[in-house]
Amino acid sequence: QSVLTQPPSASGTPGQRVTISCSGSRSNIGSNSVNWYQQLPGTAPKLLIHSNNQRPSGVPDRFSGSKSGTSASLAISGLQSGDEADYYCAVWDDSLNGVVFGGGTKLTVL
Amino acid sequence: QLQLQESGPGLVKPSETLSLTCTVSGGSVSSSSYYWGWIRQPPGKGLEWIGSMYYSGSTYYNPSLKSRVTISVDTSKNQFSLNLSSVTAADTGLYYCARGRYQLVSMDVWGIGTTVTVSS
Repeated sequence: QSVLTQPPSASGTPGQRVTISCSGSRSNIGSNSVNWYQQLPGTAPKLLIHSNNQRPSGVPDRFSGSKSGTSASLAISGLQSGDEADYYCAVWDDSLNGVVFGGGTKLTVL
Repeated sequence: QLQLQESGPGLVKPSETLSLTCTVSGGSVSSSSYYWGWIRQPPGKGLEWIGSMYYSGSTYYNPSLKSRVTISVDTSKNQFSLNLSSVTAADTGLYYCARGRYQLVSMDVWGIGTTVTVSS
């Protein structure tokens, strides 16, 4: 049972916009920056979003992050088949004094 | 371009110590303002942070693993290492090393991972 709650699955059709939520608490999302990772099948995770809404160099602007209170969201616009992957939110938790990951959301492009 | 490569035994016996090394190329493990960490993924499951070390030597460990984990750095070899003691089958999984850049939790460069199985 993860400290951060994500829906186990999400889906969309090519070109569509999808959002993935990450729900936490005051000690994690409520106090610290949220990061999002994309893990394509059989590969290592890739940092998509850091500091709530910042994209590292090379990440398309189709990916965007937002945070409000104790929840965060990852939005993917112009969905592509190559976006099929597991997506994880991650944040520092002040109470646990460590990094916590969400349980992950498996995105399917129909 | 920075690259990370994990190495170590693929099979460890229960109650023994799991030891992995991450070799850094294209950059220095002593570079200021970076963190160097370990993350694992049990088969078919999600990601779990094990711990990280700041370039200055400060260490941060997952509270649930803290009593068994040590992360250290060897600047002469440009490597950092993970030791996890008293392993059980629950420690089986894919182990990644990664660099934390903007903050400890923002890991922007990852190794390809190495599989560790705990079994007698």
